[in-house]
Amino acid sequence: AQSVTQLGSHVSVSEGALVLLRCNYSSSVPPYLFWYVQYPNQGLQLLLKYTSAATLVKGINGFEAEFKKSETSFHLTKPSAHMSDAAEYFCAVNTNAGKSTFGDGTTLTVKP
Amino acid sequence: DAGVTQSPTHLIKTRGQQVTLRCSPKSGHDTVSWYQQALGQGPQFIFQYYEEEERQRGNFPDRFSGHQFPNYSSELNVNALLLGDSALYLCASSTRTGGTTDTQYFGPGTRLTVL
Repeated sequence: AQSVTQLGSHVSVSEGALVLLRCNYSSSVPPYLFWYVQYPNQGLQLLLKYTSAATLVKGINGFEAEFKKSETSFHLTKPSAHMSDAAEYFCAVNTNAGKSTFGDGTTLTVKP
Repeated sequence: DAGVTQSPTHLIKTRGQQVTLRCSPKSGHDTVSWYQQALGQGPQFIFQYYEEEERQRGNFPDRFSGHQFPNYSSELNVNALLLGDSALYLCASSTRTGGTTDTQYFGPGTRLTVL
């Protein structure tokens, strides 16, 4: 079965600092991985996705993620945090036919 | 281009009642999936509808049922509500290719509170 594990339920950074949110996956087949962001009382917004075309994936709002097969990781990064990045972030892996399995989420806090 | 829409936004029910949530997929999408997101947790897959049939189901009891209409919109029904059914219910739509590359687009969710 495919699954993802998000390391760190809460991450706090200062405005302008590097953002690093960790996600490790478990999959017996090539995984298709996604990062979503969820703002309070809202649905999920797709940040970026990995579908094996390139290992470094660029997404919206300046986020990117690198797929590392040797480390079974798909960590999300952003060079400089902005106050508006404060939200819940979810890593997900697709199983068959588009069904997604999500991690438990990481809450990002950005301090002024 | 309208994205995924859900109604109602919020709903309050009491234990034992029944509820129906509605979802309209993104234009051009033919597959609808439903997820339950309890407070502080990631979304959990309930089931998926394609061609008006339930194609996949997660680990949810039969109290959870659904329907897909010819226009691809969908309903989620929950019978005999329990306190533990309180959650944000998310609808996601996609174009079914039958593989794992399908990208899902999520609606804003319906917040269900069971008292």
